[in-house]
Amino acid sequence: GAGVSQSPSNKVTEKGKDVELRCDPISGHTALYWYRQSLGQGLEFLIYFQGNSAPDKSGLPSDRFSAERTGGSVSTLTIQRTQQEDSAVYLCASSPGQGLTAVFGQGTRLTVV
Amino acid sequence: AQSVTQLGSHVSVSEGALVLLRCNYSSSVPPYLFWYVQYPNQGLQLLLKYTTGATLVKGINGFEAEFKKSETSFHLTKPSAHMSDAAEYFCAVSHGSSNTGKLIFGQGTTLQVKP
Repeated sequence: GAGVSQSPSNKVTEKGKDVELRCDPISGHTALYWYRQSLGQGLEFLIYFQGNSAPDKSGLPSDRFSAERTGGSVSTLTIQRTQQEDSAVYLCASSPGQGLTAVFGQGTRLTVV
Repeated sequence: AQSVTQLGSHVSVSEGALVLLRCNYSSSVPPYLFWYVQYPNQGLQLLLKYTTGATLVKGINGFEAEFKKSETSFHLTKPSAHMSDAAEYFCAVSHGSSNTGKLIFGQGTTLQVKP
């Protein structure tokens, strides 16, 4: 596609439920990143994919967070047993390759109530 | 480890005045440096970046930034502010030529432009 697409744009979920956030990168972009933007923590790196593998998962805050990427394209970020502190905007970005400038999506605003 | 410090979480300028947003970084390897802008309820848009070469970098919307290695700074400037420049600005660093592209962000600076 023309840009990085994230869905849903907004998600409200009850504490304890699982959520899945989706990212469709720009076609042909091999690198994909997830970031989290929250009031208290600013913009934080979560995970980096090169193709389908994730050589850097160092930013995932706990084992409740996981991500996968299939076909070198779409990625899903899953948060299990959501907590109120998971409320944030989750941003996805993709780039044509390792080290090249990333393009960001519009983000998914997650609210845990 | 890399880090970014943006001095001033809020900056207010009058329309037509100089915009100066400050960014200092820490990096043990030659960094790549970026400025992004975020409008309300939008994603991040790249304003400009420094990788190698010329240290004065020009970006979109009349913004520019200068990489000063001796001062570990990458301040963002614009000669004349416009109302449409009101937004949040983020400075970011990545590891350089061997990097994954992972970005470390500063805390952001909200720019207010007064008429």
